[in-house]
Amino acid sequence: GAVVSQHPSRVICKSGTSVKIECRSLDFQATTMFWYRQFPKQSLMLMATSNEGSKATYEQGVEKDKFLINHASLTLSTLTVTSAHPEDSSFYICSAISLQGPSYEQYFGPGTRLTVT
Amino acid sequence: RKEVEQDPGPFNVPEGATVAFNCTYSNSASQSFFWYRQDCRKEPKLLMSVYSSGNEDGRFTAQLNRASQYISLLIRDSKLSDSATYLCVVSPDEKLTFGTGTRLTIIP
Repeated sequence: GAVVSQHPSRVICKSGTSVKIECRSLDFQATTMFWYRQFPKQSLMLMATSNEGSKATYEQGVEKDKFLINHASLTLSTLTVTSAHPEDSSFYICSAISLQGPSYEQYFGPGTRLTVT
Repeated sequence: RKEVEQDPGPFNVPEGATVAFNCTYSNSASQSFFWYRQDCRKEPKLLMSVYSSGNEDGRFTAQLNRASQYISLLIRDSKLSDSATYLCVVSPDEKLTFGTGTRLTIIP
């Protein structure tokens, strides 16, 4: 099956610093990638939709200047949490839709657990 | 009102039993429906798609009732490995909307 990787898997950073999370589709090209956030015991919440070569589309309530998304190629999207605060601590998961596969099938990365101290 | 509502559980069920989960959704424009499972601190994984005619995959049966806007998942002959959180997911387009999930623990 299609594989999506995320790096790093876990990161601890100090308040005020920025953290970059990478999402890669390893064996397929992704037209679209999605970024989700999941707080403990809550559902995955879509943050933004990322299309290669164009600006990301952010969901209501998600600050685009705080969560910078770059989708530079068909296999890589990055999420940068700028000026991180403790309330940004969460599980960040990306997913990707394959160019070749059905548009409804999203392949999820293993997630990145961010802790801001 | 949440877009996708599920009973969070937990459901503690003896091994071999049958367990059923329900989920309701508010967006009548939703076109695609899924059940995902998520193990603790892991990413969600697609369990099965849900079709109006109902569909079965081994011990798992999913049903969709568009008129009432609810989706169900039935697990028969439950195994210890079925312990997980089951996420109801609906989609009007390529975006997925997740429920909070139902926590299931199978007891030996």
